[in-house]
Amino acid sequence: AQSVTQLGSHVSVSEGALVLLRCNYSSSVPPYLFWYVQYPNQGLQLLLKYTSAATLVKGINGFEAEFKKSETSFHLTKPSAHMSDAAEYFCAVSVKPAGRRALTFGSGTRLQVQP
Amino acid sequence: DAGITQSPRHKVTETGTPVTLRCHQTENHRYMYWYRQDPGHGLRLIHYSYGVKDTDKGEVSDGYSVSRSKTEDFLLTLESATSSQTSVYFCAISALDGGTEAFFGQGTRLTVV
Repeated sequence: AQSVTQLGSHVSVSEGALVLLRCNYSSSVPPYLFWYVQYPNQGLQLLLKYTSAATLVKGINGFEAEFKKSETSFHLTKPSAHMSDAAEYFCAVSVKPAGRRALTFGSGTRLQVQP
Repeated sequence: DAGITQSPRHKVTETGTPVTLRCHQTENHRYMYWYRQDPGHGLRLIHYSYGVKDTDKGEVSDGYSVSRSKTEDFLLTLESATSSQTSVYFCAISALDGGTEAFFGQGTRLTVV
């Protein structure tokens, strides 16, 4: 079975600073990996996904993530935080071949951006 | 935005009453999912469907049932609501298996008093 661990339930950065949100996964077979963002009182929106093409994945709003098989990690980064990035971020994993499987989510990281 | 509508968006109900939440999609996607979101737990899968009348249990299915009689509708029923089922419920849809690039509805906030 697959699982996801997100280190840090809350992360606070200053506006303009680097954003780094950590995600480690566990999977016995090659994974699909995702980052989703949730703004207050809204559903989840896909930021980016890794599906075994390039290991460095670029997403929306300037975010990117790098798949590192040796470290079983898929950390999310953004060079310069904006106030609008304040939200909750979820890492998720699925597996290949997926069959009748669903996404497994981490517990989430709430990003706070200080002015 | 993917065409997913959840109803109701908010509901308060009493312990012991049955409750049905509806998820309606206009994308004709094969796969549909129900998750619940609780602080510190992220999203946990309740039930999912891979086609009309084809459903399976997720990791937190106790006390819940689902039905899918049409491609576009996926119903989640709390057979006898308990306070532990107070949560935010999300429906998601996916064209491909494994939840690949799942799209989420806006959520239903359910309070059981």
